[in-house]
Amino acid sequence: TQLLEQSPQFLSIQEGENLTVYCNSSSVFSSLQWYRQEPGEGPVLLVTVVTGGEVKKLKRLTFQFGDARKDSSLHITAAQPGDTGLYLCAPGGDNFNKFYFGSGTKLNVKP
Amino acid sequence: NAGVMQNPRHLVRRRGQEARLRCSPMKGHSHVYWYRQLPEEGLKFMVYLQKENIIDESGMPKERFSAEFPKEGPSILRIQQVVRGDSAAYFCASSPRVAGDVRLNEQFFGPGTRLTVL
Repeated sequence: TQLLEQSPQFLSIQEGENLTVYCNSSSVFSSLQWYRQEPGEGPVLLVTVVTGGEVKKLKRLTFQFGDARKDSSLHITAAQPGDTGLYLCAPGGDNFNKFYFGSGTKLNVKP
Repeated sequence: NAGVMQNPRHLVRRRGQEARLRCSPMKGHSHVYWYRQLPEEGLKFMVYLQKENIIDESGMPKERFSAEFPKEGPSILRIQQVVRGDSAAYFCASSPRVAGDVRLNEQFFGPGTRLTVL
């Protein structure tokens, strides 16, 4: 069962551009996590959002949790080549034994 | 990757051999998850274990695959009689997973084991 849909699947942009990627579901989650996976490495947790409408900032990355806690977005300002990677979202919380990751957005930032 | 250790990093096996993948969780974490990732694809859940217990193995193939997390030592993912389709990256994650605090369900991943079946 795929609970989370991520879009776009692929994104290739120039250094300095802004971008937004999305994580959507028809289910309500108690929390949602974003991870980044660089080529050849394991995913690294970026942030957990918990409250509906919550906005969290991590340097140039802004994460938002939808008011209804069904969706989330990640906005990157002035993207850099170091932002290149696969961005994954996953539901957190105690309701899920299986961690269903979205299929991910593969981001390539060209210098 | 936040202290989760996996070994080996790369494993080459011929068809029909056995593959053993090891995962040592972060200190203090008693919950381990295994995932498989094919090239250009996302992570697919395989199994969730606590010490000496398999909690959810609904993502594991019914045959040839098994997992354990003994009281002492690392978690082991075992693939018997490997086939070419088993070639993938296998990731382990650990979590402290205390009920009631969603932040403690955050997972920390190891660097993965890349299995190649010849």
